[in-house]
Amino acid sequence: ETGVTQTPRHLVMGMTNKKSLKCEQHLGHNAMYWYKQSAKKPLELMFVYNFKEQTENNSVPSRFSPECPNSSHLFLHLHTLQPEDSALYLCASSLPHKGSGNTIYFGEGSWLTVV
Amino acid sequence: TQLLEQSPQFLSIQEGENLTVYCNSSSVFSSLQWYRQEPGEGPVLLVTVVTGGEVKKLKRLTFQFGDARKDSSLHITAAQPGDTGLYLCAGGGNAGNMLTFGGGTRLMVKP
Repeated sequence: ETGVTQTPRHLVMGMTNKKSLKCEQHLGHNAMYWYKQSAKKPLELMFVYNFKEQTENNSVPSRFSPECPNSSHLFLHLHTLQPEDSALYLCASSLPHKGSGNTIYFGEGSWLTVV
Repeated sequence: TQLLEQSPQFLSIQEGENLTVYCNSSSVFSSLQWYRQEPGEGPVLLVTVVTGGEVKKLKRLTFQFGDARKDSSLHITAAQPGDTGLYLCAGGGNAGNMLTFGGGTRLMVKP
């Protein structure tokens, strides 16, 4: 238990479906992240939120839409995805300080399969 | 763009053997973190090193940050099957809260 909880753990959706991934952190952090982990690729940063404001969008297609209603919750809304979007989506949180030692804590991930 | 390269990508060893995983970059990082990820789970932080030349030990794991803060290594002594997993290094930059991840080293320790 890392203090970052993701639901659902597994999701299968069709290309025309709309679904959402949810993330909640109980660590008192103010920065939250979405990462994508595919086979044979390094972890890819998708979005960063600091104090509920989006501070990084790493050229992510608009079919992925993040939402951060408060510092403890983060959503990833999914719409008209492609099979190549199938991956493990990891949420993470941290204290938003700059410089050295910025430790981030990951959730257990949501396995997404697009059919 | 800061890049981190990990080697080897795959490693299969027998229980009791020693191993070293490397994480290299041409860029300087303000911090370097190591994570271990088991199948179906998220990465779990093992250690953070922030000072050039720093060495940290965690039981049978020894982590070292290079003097120039461009590289790091993870050494495991007397590996056990429970050490099996994906080991990820991640470098922290000097601005903001961004981390750059390496491609990972997938370790399998056979009993």
